[in-house]
Amino acid sequence: AQSVAQPEDQVNVAEGNPLTVKCTYSVSGNPYLFWYVQYPNRGLQFLLKYITGDNLVKGSYGFEAEFNKSQTSFHLKKPSALVSDSALYFCAVRALLDSNYQLIWGAGTKLIIKP
Amino acid sequence: EAQVTQNPRYLITVTGKKLTVTCSQNMNHEYMSWYRQDPGLGLRQIYYSMNVEVTDKGDVPEGYKVSRKEKRNFPLILESPSPNQTSLYFCASSSTAGGSFWSTDTQYFGPGTRLTVL
Repeated sequence: AQSVAQPEDQVNVAEGNPLTVKCTYSVSGNPYLFWYVQYPNRGLQFLLKYITGDNLVKGSYGFEAEFNKSQTSFHLKKPSALVSDSALYFCAVRALLDSNYQLIWGAGTKLIIKP
Repeated sequence: EAQVTQNPRYLITVTGKKLTVTCSQNMNHEYMSWYRQDPGLGLRQIYYSMNVEVTDKGDVPEGYKVSRKEKRNFPLILESPSPNQTSLYFCASSSTAGGSFWSTDTQYFGPGTRLTVL
C-alpha cells in the first residue's frame, strides 16, 4: 500500500541546535515529495518539494530536505533552529490513486523549539 | 493578494442541521480540494475537483457533498451533520489540472474552518 510515515509525533530541539523531522514513504514509481508547515491557527504553507535532480532540496525559511531513495526517506532539516520554527510539519507524497494523482499525507510532527 | 478564503472560520451546530462551508480562490486555479484534519490522522481528503463541473471522491467522502459550478468557488455541504464530523476543515487549490502532473504544483490552503457538531 502507498503511504507516508512520520514516525515522531513530536520533536523537541533547543534553539540554535540543528533539527531533523523524519519522513519515510512507500509509493509506486518515482516519488514526488513535499513538506508543508502549519503554524497555530493557520492553514498549511508549502515549504519545499522534490521532483527530480539534486537529492538536497532547499526551501523556505532556511529549511532543506534530503531525498534518500535507498532508504525511501525525505527528512526535513535546518542547521540552526529558531523558536519561530515551532509548528506542525506535514510530509506528503504524490501517488496514483484511482487513475488520478493525489497527495498522501503523513500524520504530522509537532516541532517544539525551546529558547 | 493571492489567497484561499473560507467561511465561516468557526461554527458550532447541532446534529442534522444542514450547513455549507464556502471556499473561494482568486488565483484562477483549476484544482480545488477539501481536507479534514484530525489529531493523529493528519490530513484526509474529502473531495476534490479537477475543474469546473468535475468532482471526485477523496478518502473520506461519506456525509459530504461538493459542487463546482464556477472556477473560483468550491463549497462543502454537510446535509445532515453528525458529531463524528467535528473537525478542522481546509480548502486548498493549485494551478495544474489533469491527473498526471497536477500535484507537482504547490497547493495553497485556506485558513481552516473549525466545525463542532453537538
